Amino acid sequence: AQSVAQPEDQVNVAEGNPLTVKCTYSVSGNPYLFWYVQYPNRGLQFLLKYITGDNLVKGSYGFEAEFNKSQTSFHLKKPSALVSDSALYFCAVRDEDTGFQKLVFGTGTRLLVSP
Amino acid sequence: DAGVIQSPRHEVTEMGQEVTLRCKPISGHNSLFWYRQTMMRGLELLIYFNNNVPIDDSGMPEDRFSAKMPNASFSTLKIQPSEPRDSAVYFCASSLRLAGSDTQYFGPGTRLTVL
Repeated sequence: AQSVAQPEDQVNVAEGNPLTVKCTYSVSGNPYLFWYVQYPNRGLQFLLKYITGDNLVKGSYGFEAEFNKSQTSFHLKKPSALVSDSALYFCAVRDEDTGFQKLVFGTGTRLLVSP
Repeated sequence: DAGVIQSPRHEVTEMGQEVTLRCKPISGHNSLFWYRQTMMRGLELLIYFNNNVPIDDSGMPEDRFSAKMPNASFSTLKIQPSEPRDSAVYFCASSLRLAGSDTQYFGPGTRLTVL
């Protein structure tokens, strides 16, 4: 069965500093990996995904994520954080080999960017 | 282009009443997902459809929950009778399933409160 772990409930960073939100996954086959962001009282917004190819994936709002197969990780990064990046971030995984579309989400990491 | 539309955005009802949540997926999408989000359990997949056919309903908590998709542009999630523990935010998401990956796009959610 596939699973996702987001080890940090909250990440605090000062505006202008780089940020990293961690995610590790477990699947039996090849992973499809996703990052979503949720602002208060809003639905989840798609940020980026890894399917195959280049391990560094670029997404919306200046975010990027690096796929590391040996460490089974897919950490979300941004070179310079903005206060407006403060939100709840979810990592999700799907097992390509199962043929099912079921996404398994992590528990979420709250990012707080201080001015 | 309109995203996923959900109605109502907020629903307050009394225990024992029937509740119907509605979803209109993105036009052209052929897969639809219902999720529930709570503080305790995070984001859970309840059921999903491909081409209007239910594929996996293993996440539906009880027989009190039912979901239908009578056509490609409309789905309902019904709870009858409702209970206080059903209070949560319910999200609908849709995707276009192609060979390879598909990205799920979420609606704004329905916040359900059962008194």
